[in-house]
Amino acid sequence: AQSVTQLGSHVSVSEGALVLLRCNYSSSVPPYLFWYVQYPNQGLQLLLKYTTGATLVKGINGFEAEFKKSETSFHLTKPSAHMSDAAEYFCAVSMMNRDDKIIFGKGTRLHILP
Amino acid sequence: EAGVAQSPRYKIIEKRQSVAFWCNPISGHATLYWYQQILGQGPKLLIQFQNNGVVDDSQLPKDRFSAERLKGVDSTLKIQPAKLEDSAVYLCASSLFLGVDRYTEAFFGQGTRLTVV
Repeated sequence: AQSVTQLGSHVSVSEGALVLLRCNYSSSVPPYLFWYVQYPNQGLQLLLKYTTGATLVKGINGFEAEFKKSETSFHLTKPSAHMSDAAEYFCAVSMMNRDDKIIFGKGTRLHILP
Repeated sequence: EAGVAQSPRYKIIEKRQSVAFWCNPISGHATLYWYQQILGQGPKLLIQFQNNGVVDDSQLPKDRFSAERLKGVDSTLKIQPAKLEDSAVYLCASSLFLGVDRYTEAFFGQGTRLTVV
């Protein structure tokens, strides 16, 4: 069975500093991996996804993530944090076949300090 | 392209009452999901439909929750009777089957925030 672990339920960074949100997955075969962002009182919005091919994936709002099979990780980074990045971030995994579900981590709330 | 539509956005009910949520997925998306998101937690899948058939409902509390997607488009999720612990945001999502073993990611609606008092 697949699972996702997000390290750190809360992360605080200063405006302009590097953002690093950690995600590790468990899967018997290489899965599809996603990062979603959720702003207050909103649904989830896709930031980026890894399916196959290039392991460094670029997403919206300057975010990127790198799939590392040997480490079973898919950490999310952004070189310079902006106040508007304050939100909850969810890592998710799926096999993306007809009957497979999308499993979410518990989420990491990102706080941006002025 | 219109997104996933959900209604209502907010609902407050007393325990033991019933409530229903409605979802209209993105046009053409055969897969529809209902997730429950309790405050401070990640979304938990309640039920997954492929067209009007149920793919996975293993985490749906069937003694009180029910869901249907009769025509393979819109879906409703019902809780009867509600308990205090059902207070959560209920998210609907849909995805498109692109071919053998290929799907788009899930697109989410804004959710329905349920408060049971």
